[in-house]
Amino acid sequence: NAGVTQTPKFRVLKTGQSMTLLCAQDMNHEYMYWYRQDPGMGLRLIHYSVGEGTTAKGEVPDGYNVSRLKKQNFLLGLESAAPSQTSVYFCASSYGGMQVYEQYFGPGTRLTVT
Amino acid sequence: AQKITQTQPGMFVQEKEAVTLDCTYDTSDQSYGLFWYKQPSSGEMIFLIYQGSYDEQNATEGRYSLNFQKARKSANLVISASQLGDSAMYFCAMRDRGSSNTGKLIFGQGTTLQVKP
Repeated sequence: NAGVTQTPKFRVLKTGQSMTLLCAQDMNHEYMYWYRQDPGMGLRLIHYSVGEGTTAKGEVPDGYNVSRLKKQNFLLGLESAAPSQTSVYFCASSYGGMQVYEQYFGPGTRLTVT
Repeated sequence: AQKITQTQPGMFVQEKEAVTLDCTYDTSDQSYGLFWYKQPSSGEMIFLIYQGSYDEQNATEGRYSLNFQKARKSANLVISASQLGDSAMYFCAMRDRGSSNTGKLIFGQGTTLQVKP
């Protein structure tokens, strides 16, 4: 099993450009998440999904959109990149339901917006 | 509002000694869960240990144990017999009952641990 994979690993964008980050998981997880990690601020939740076709806002959703057309994929889009979106982006997934499960993380995408 | 606080930005420990990383949390719910993750310099997030609010025993996983003090709302991570490979950033995270059908986690700011040879 590959677990959680993220594409690309690195990207440099100019202000105003758009891009999509792809997250894929092969563990049949119901729940998927996108986080950003900035120095000194831990991980903050951008958007999440509790199942195919459903998405919801997290703590810092502004400037991002997401889609979950297939259970195994969760896409994060930046329509018009800004320097404030320079960060490391992590995707995570977990089993769903009332029982508590840990989240499995991808390797991260380092995005720089100039 | 739910919150996780890690007050130690950086810690040093001598190899083979034990170290405690602090984590305090704030929630009004009675049912919640606490997680610790490790992030080495390579960047990946590795799950270490979990403690449920109703668990009577402190969680242990190999050299990792969680010192859970519910009344003080603290969930400190104890690493015994530190190894050089333990050098990393450590994050405490919480899931509360309000997130039971979403699995959302709230993370602390992290503590960087350096193990000295």
